[in-house]
Amino acid sequence: TQLLEQSPQFLSIQEGENLTVYCNSSSVFSSLQWYRQEPGEGPVLLVTVVTGGEVKKLKRLTFQFGDARKDSSLHITAAQPGDTGLYLCAALMEYGNKLVFGAGTILRVKS
Amino acid sequence: DVKVTQSSRYLVKRTGEKVFLECVQDMDHENMFWYRQDPGLGLRLIYFSYDVKMKEKGDIPEGYSVSREKKERFSLILESASTNQTSMYLCASRPVGFGGEKLFFGSGTQLSVL
Repeated sequence: TQLLEQSPQFLSIQEGENLTVYCNSSSVFSSLQWYRQEPGEGPVLLVTVVTGGEVKKLKRLTFQFGDARKDSSLHITAAQPGDTGLYLCAALMEYGNKLVFGAGTILRVKS
Repeated sequence: DVKVTQSSRYLVKRTGEKVFLECVQDMDHENMFWYRQDPGLGLRLIYFSYDVKMKEKGDIPEGYSVSREKKERFSLILESASTNQTSMYLCASRPVGFGGEKLFFGSGTQLSVL
């Protein structure tokens, strides 16, 4: 059983559609990160959220941290083919010093 | 520009071979990590190192060892490769202190053990 549950596992959408990816746990996080990984490359950090209820925006991407710091979401508005990739959430648990990764969401945006 | 370099993009080895995966970072980071990435399982931590000559087991250390003789280099060793070690291996580093939560990843080594 994954400590961090990501959903959906796979998403295939048309260019211009909106989508949301979720990251959930029964444990409390100190902080949560979202990474994007393109084929043949390592993951690249998109954002870190630290405060419960925090919302951060990165162009068409909106990241939200749950009030209880147990869940997070990534919303993409008007998806583009360049958004295609694997999206990973990673959490620093409240007690511990290691990042725990979710299994990832594979996003494919068709033109 | 920050850089984590993994020596090989693709490796094919035979069962029982000793395999070395090399990782070098040019950012003077104290912490370095080795993960393996498998479909549907995400990234799992194999070993990490807080400093030169220091190492800590991660979540799946069995069948692996590591070496960190210099600050910039962190090596992953498969003493006797097995087919279930076929995977994508990712090296990462991060600094201590402000901004220390961000991991910088290499491009990965896809290892196939036949």
